[in-house]
Order: sequence, then C-alpha cells, then structure tokens
Amino acid sequence: GAGVSQTPSNKVTEKGKYVELRCDPISGHTALYWYRQSLGQGPEFLIYFQGTGAADDSGLPNDRFFAVRPEGSVSTLKIQRTERGDSAVYLCASSQNRDGKLFFGSGTQLSVL
Amino acid sequence: GNSVTQMEGPVTLSEEAFLTINCTYTATGYPSLFWYVQYPGEGLQLLLKATKADDKGSNKGFEATYRKETTSFHLEKGSVQVSDSAVYFCALSGPKTSYDKVIFGPGTSLSVIP
Repeated sequence: GAGVSQTPSNKVTEKGKYVELRCDPISGHTALYWYRQSLGQGPEFLIYFQGTGAADDSGLPNDRFFAVRPEGSVSTLKIQRTERGDSAVYLCASSQNRDGKLFFGSGTQLSVL
Repeated sequence: GNSVTQMEGPVTLSEEAFLTINCTYTATGYPSLFWYVQYPGEGLQLLLKATKADDKGSNKGFEATYRKETTSFHLEKGSVQVSDSAVYFCALSGPKTSYDKVIFGPGTSLSVIP
C-alpha cells in the first residue's frame, strides 16, 4: 500500500479482555515503531523493531503489553487483561532510514469500558 | 533522559499573523530535531527537520533553527493561513550513536481564524 495501514481503526472492549492491534508498514521499511497517544498529549514511545527483532521495548508500560513482527513486515501489538487506563490512540510508524523521518498510520482508537 | 518541552496551547491567531511556537529540549550529545504536524482527521506527518547546530529546517513557509546554545528549535511562520490549523509537535532523536527513537513533546494546538 501507499502508506502505513492500521486495523482496526476503532476497537471497543471490556475491561479484562485481550486485544490485538495490527500495523502494516510501508513496503521496504525495515524500522517499525509503536506509540500511544492520549487525548491532548504527544505520542509516547512503546517499542521499536528493526527487522524482526524488538530493538527497544523500554516503553512498554508492563508485561500485559507485547508486540511481534515475525516476518519483518506486519506487526501486531497485543494487550492482555485490558484496563480502562489503556484507552488511547495506538499509533504505528515505519521508517526506511535512520533519519528520524517517521511515516505514521491513522491509529487505532482503543476504548476499554 | 532525552525530553522535549513546548509552549502550551491552544494558540489562536488571525489569518496572516506571525506564528512562533517555542520548543526546548534536553538531550545528551547532539540530537536531530523535528517538527511534526497533525491536521484534523489526519495522521502525524513530518513538517521539517534539522540535524546539526545552526541548521535551519523549512517547509510550507515554516522555519525552525537548531540553536545548540539555547537548546531550542522554535517554529516560525511569517503569515499563517486557516489551513495551518493543526497540532504541532516538536520532537528529537539520536544522538547518532543510537537508533532513531523519536521522542515527542506534548503538542501545541493552533487555530487560525479568518
């Protein structure tokens, strides 16, 4: 595709449930990032992939959050035992070069009731 | 750790007014600096960047100069338009010895009225 694609665009779930958020980066981009953005705030770094490996997962808030990128392209962010505080927009971005130029998707709005 | 501070919004200007959005950073070494913009209903996109001291990034009439001595990267535009209404995020990455983990400021909302 032409840009970074994230699905679903909206996800409503109940407290305690498990959710998966998908990111399809721009073809050929080896770097992939997940961020979380709460209303009125800037994007908060969660995890960075270079190829298939998670090069930096220091932003994951706790062990309920996990992300994979098994073939170095599509990535899935997984959240177990969701809590109301997890409600936010989850953003994915990809990059081709190590120059800080990130291409963002439109995000997934997660609402935990 | 690395961080970015921006002036608080919202900022409301009349069309053709001069815009300044202040940004200061804290970082070890010499990071790269960015301004990203989020237009209503759209995803974040890079507006401009500067990679070393005294560099000036520019795009769409916006400019920002990398000031190492004041650790600042203020965004300016001489004459804003209604279409510039958006949220602007200052960001940094680096230094070059590490990968490009981009850290964002809290954002400044700009509304331009006709």
